[in-house]
Amino acid sequence: DAGITQSPRHKVTETGTPVTLRCHQTENHRYMYWYRQDPGHGLRLIHYSYGVKDTDKGEVSDGYSVSRSKTEDFLLTLESATSSQTSVYFCAISESQGPNYGYTFGSGTRLTVV
Amino acid sequence: AQTVTQSQPEMSVQEAETVTLSCTYDTSENNYYLFWYKQPPSRQMILVIRQEAYKQQNATENRFSVNFQKAAKSFSLKISDSQLGDTAMYFCAFISNNNDMRFGAGTRLTVKP
Repeated sequence: DAGITQSPRHKVTETGTPVTLRCHQTENHRYMYWYRQDPGHGLRLIHYSYGVKDTDKGEVSDGYSVSRSKTEDFLLTLESATSSQTSVYFCAISESQGPNYGYTFGSGTRLTVV
Repeated sequence: AQTVTQSQPEMSVQEAETVTLSCTYDTSENNYYLFWYKQPPSRQMILVIRQEAYKQQNATENRFSVNFQKAAKSFSLKISDSQLGDTAMYFCAFISNNNDMRFGAGTRLTVKP
């Protein structure tokens, strides 16, 4: 197994509530990513991290924040969930940045905002 | 900006036949990799095959092969002897220096018995 886990696997939450998704890796990889998957859009990058406390925005970062206090954990927070954030969220890890470093993906979190 | 386009939202194929999934991309970079990922109903993203842009030889992995046309910026996936277990979403993806991985919208492939 690749050593990346996401929790929870499924979550239903109400509009306006805060939600935190967790990604945990045991590979000691430097780079971690959060993507969201939506029909017709594929996977789009929300935020990524290139080290402890080092993060940057991706293509669809509005309404999301992240934190990385330890190498192994990368948290994605929806401060006030909206129905447009209903999606499947994937975490990915890579050893370094560059085209020859592949990504390993977690199994995803299906989030429903009602 | 790098973009990846998959123009076939859905495709179907009979078991044991061959199917080709299309992908085009846009970039000004010279050093990049292209990937095909498979996503079965389990949701897991499974790497099927990858191609390095500086290699002219097309990558192959058992029943999966690609047709990489660098000048045309085309990267199609051919699945030979299709099996029921090949039913899944297939995503084409691109990555270059100092950039994150970009994905196409996906093609839903159904293999019919």
